[in-house]
Amino acid sequence: QKEVEQNSGPLSVPEGAIASLNCTYSDRGSQSFFWYRQYSGKSPELIMFIYSNGDKEDGRFTAQLNKASQYVSLLIRDSQPSDSATYLCAVKSDSWGKLQFGAGTQVVVTP
Amino acid sequence: EAGVTQFPSHSVIEKGQTVTLRCDPISGHDNLYWYRRVMGKEIKFLLHFVKESKQDESGMPNNRFLAERTGGTYSTLKVQPAELEDSGVYFCASSQSSGAWQFFGPGTRLTVL
Repeated sequence: QKEVEQNSGPLSVPEGAIASLNCTYSDRGSQSFFWYRQYSGKSPELIMFIYSNGDKEDGRFTAQLNKASQYVSLLIRDSQPSDSATYLCAVKSDSWGKLQFGAGTQVVVTP
Repeated sequence: EAGVTQFPSHSVIEKGQTVTLRCDPISGHDNLYWYRRVMGKEIKFLLHFVKESKQDESGMPNNRFLAERTGGTYSTLKVQPAELEDSGVYFCASSQSSGAWQFFGPGTRLTVL
């Protein structure tokens, strides 16, 4: 079983719609959760982080965390073609910063 | 403020040769991380420096990999001798503290022929 699992996609989303990305993790002691966006050939760019159960909103992005279900999600509202990228879920399970990544979900926003 | 930089951006070497990758973290970031993504797989942690000390090197695949961070500034990752399975993209990341989010560099794409 992978430690962090994501659907690889591609997730095709019409422009203006909501993209919903899911991530599950195996370590129940995980503390912090991050979403990175990676354009092809570029570096991962942090877009959201969440530490507590519930929702966290930042602009068009909402991260949702459910520690009991070991599940974290990312919603992208009003999707734009510029949102087309691979979205990486990353989990930090210890106090020293080591991140465990999922394989990423490719999102394609179609005009 | 300059971001994390890595050099070279691409490296093509033959099996058995040596390659050294360099990472310059964001100024003032004590924490420096190396990660690797091999084709079709997820990004995997290699090791973590706090200043010049190795805090966690649990992800280093074998003793052909040697990471250093002399003076607590830039870091190098040497692969000697390189094997075919070492091909991939090597990312460096830095953060102000171990609990803070990490900023990633553009990566070095290593191809071993």
